Amino acid sequence: AQSVTQPDIHITVSEGASLELRCNYSYGATPYLFWYVQSPGQGLQLLLKYFSGDTLVQGIKGFEAEFKRSQSSFNLRKPSVHWSDAAEYFCAVAHDTGFQKLVFGTGTRLLVSP
Amino acid sequence: NAGVTQTPKFQVLKTGQSMTLQCAQDMNHEYMSWYRQDPGMGLRLIHYSVGAGITDQGEVPNGYNVSRSTTEDFPLRLLSAAPSQTSVYFCASSPRTGEVTQYFGPGTRLLVL
Repeated sequence: AQSVTQPDIHITVSEGASLELRCNYSYGATPYLFWYVQSPGQGLQLLLKYFSGDTLVQGIKGFEAEFKRSQSSFNLRKPSVHWSDAAEYFCAVAHDTGFQKLVFGTGTRLLVSP
Repeated sequence: NAGVTQTPKFQVLKTGQSMTLQCAQDMNHEYMSWYRQDPGMGLRLIHYSVGAGITDQGEVPNGYNVSRSTTEDFPLRLLSAAPSQTSVYFCASSPRTGEVTQYFGPGTRLLVL
């Protein structure tokens, strides 16, 4: 069965500093991978997704993620964090029996310090 | 397009009460899903549907029923609420073909006393 691990529960980054959120997945075939962001009290917004092709994926709000098959990772990065990026970030993999079933990691809460 | 809408936004129930969480989408998506979000556990799939008249269980289906009589609507029913069902519930929809991406509603926060 698929699984997603986000090893960092909380991360604090200074405004303007770079960010990397870690995501590791367990999946036998080529995975379909997603990063979602959830602001407090809000629903989930898709940041970016990887289905195939170029392993460096660009998303909204200046985020990018790199798929590394050898490391089973799909880490999210941003070169310069803004205070508005404070939120919870979820990595997810689509279930092998259908895109309507996502398996989520437990999330990483990003705190941005001034 | 309104996207995925959910009602109510917040609900308090007593143990044993029943209720229906509503979910609707106006994007003509075939796939719809219900997730629950609990602290430290991410989102877990409750039930899903691949089209009108077709539903199936996800990871945590116990205590919940669903039906899909139309493409647009996918209600989630709690027949006898329990405190363990206190959670935030998200509905999502996605198209069947193309680069399938799930779009999430704003969520329903449920408290069972």
